[in-house]
Amino acid sequence: AQKITQTQPGMFVQEKEAVTLDCTYDTSDQSYGLFWYKQPSSGEMIFLIYQGSYDEQNATEGRYSLNFQKARKSANLVISASQLGDSAMYFCAMRERGGGADGLTFGKGTHLIIQP
Amino acid sequence: DVKVTQSSRYLVKRTGEKVFLECVQDMDHENMFWYRQDPGLGLRLIYFSYDVKMKEKGDIPEGYSVSREKKERFSLILESASTNQTSMYLCASSSYETGISYNEQFFGPGTRLTVL
Repeated sequence: AQKITQTQPGMFVQEKEAVTLDCTYDTSDQSYGLFWYKQPSSGEMIFLIYQGSYDEQNATEGRYSLNFQKARKSANLVISASQLGDSAMYFCAMRERGGGADGLTFGKGTHLIIQP
Repeated sequence: DVKVTQSSRYLVKRTGEKVFLECVQDMDHENMFWYRQDPGLGLRLIYFSYDVKMKEKGDIPEGYSVSREKKERFSLILESASTNQTSMYLCASSSYETGISYNEQFFGPGTRLTVL
């Protein structure tokens, strides 16, 4: 079974609209962390936002927020007021256990295209 | 400014060649990682290292080995390159943290390897 599922391979959104990118995860650990990364066409991975499993508040970073629903194992990324520069691949990822030495498990990504 | 650098952006090799992909970080991070990225599959962890001379297999280690002789450098080795190893290879690093906590992985720009 996939540990991270992103069900939207591609999305087209009008500029200035809000965008929700879906992510569900599967883990039996109580402690885990969830990440979202952006990858523009240039290829670099840009960290956007982090949510810890014990964080009670949804994470926010500027125009990015994470809609964390622990019981549903859902960690959707919300981008408010989308911009043309938001066009990119977006990856949801999870780290299980502690220590930080373990790698991230990534979803297959969502290709977001913002249209003028 | 934090930096993870990779020795080449583009590399073309022939089947059977021994290939070295080099990664260097200047953040004094304990952890380093190698991922490969393929369309529709997201990023998959090949190997990671949490200390000099220490290494752990990730999800897809077959056909690869790694070397970490110095803290700042982590090399990925393809002993005998094959066409199915044509891919984008991404290196990342992070500091060591106990417990689950925000622990961002910083990525290099990637090496696009083509094996003919």
